[in-house]
Amino acid sequence: KQEVTQIPAALSVPEGENLVLNCSFTDSAIYNLQWFRQDPGKGLTSLLLIQSSQREQTSGRLNASLDKSSGRSTLYIAASQPGDSATYLCAVRRETSGSRLTFGEGTQLTVNP
Amino acid sequence: EPEVTQTPSHQVTQMGQEVILRCVPISNHLYFYWYRQILGQKVEFLVSFYNNEISEKSEIFDDQFSVERPDGSNFTLKIRSTKLEDSAMYFCASSLTGVGAQETQYFGPGTRLLVL
Repeated sequence: KQEVTQIPAALSVPEGENLVLNCSFTDSAIYNLQWFRQDPGKGLTSLLLIQSSQREQTSGRLNASLDKSSGRSTLYIAASQPGDSATYLCAVRRETSGSRLTFGEGTQLTVNP
Repeated sequence: EPEVTQTPSHQVTQMGQEVILRCVPISNHLYFYWYRQILGQKVEFLVSFYNNEISEKSEIFDDQFSVERPDGSNFTLKIRSTKLEDSAMYFCASSLTGVGAQETQYFGPGTRLLVL
């Protein structure tokens, strides 16, 4: 059974800092990994999707890396802003589970002005 | 930018009642999903739907749940006889395909269901 873990559970940083969020998964036989952002009481906004054959993806100030063999992904946020405050979720699709995503519990990020 | 929409945003119901949650996926998407998130817990997969049939379902998706695409735009989740433990935020999602980068799943804003 695939288990997804995110560390840390919460993170508070001053504005302008570069930061790294971590995601680990127990079964390395994944098809892809997706990072989402969730604002309080709201839906999930897709940030980046990394295919299993890729090492990283970039979108603006966000960079996600994937090390499939070690079961890890990181989301790097450059020059953080108060508007980045949200919960960040990672989710993996296994090679053998159809399109179902298995989610981590998320990292709650607060960027202080 | 196209987005997934869901109605209602909030629903309160009595235990044992039937509820129908509605979703309008992104118009050219072919794969549809329902997930739920119990307060304080992880987002959990319920079911995926493609070509007018269920392609995968989780152990949560038992006989009290059903999904339907009644027309070309709506995708519904029906809970036949609600239980207290069905209280959760229910998310609909859609993706263009089931392959490659176009498999990115786009989520709606959710329906918060409260069963009393």
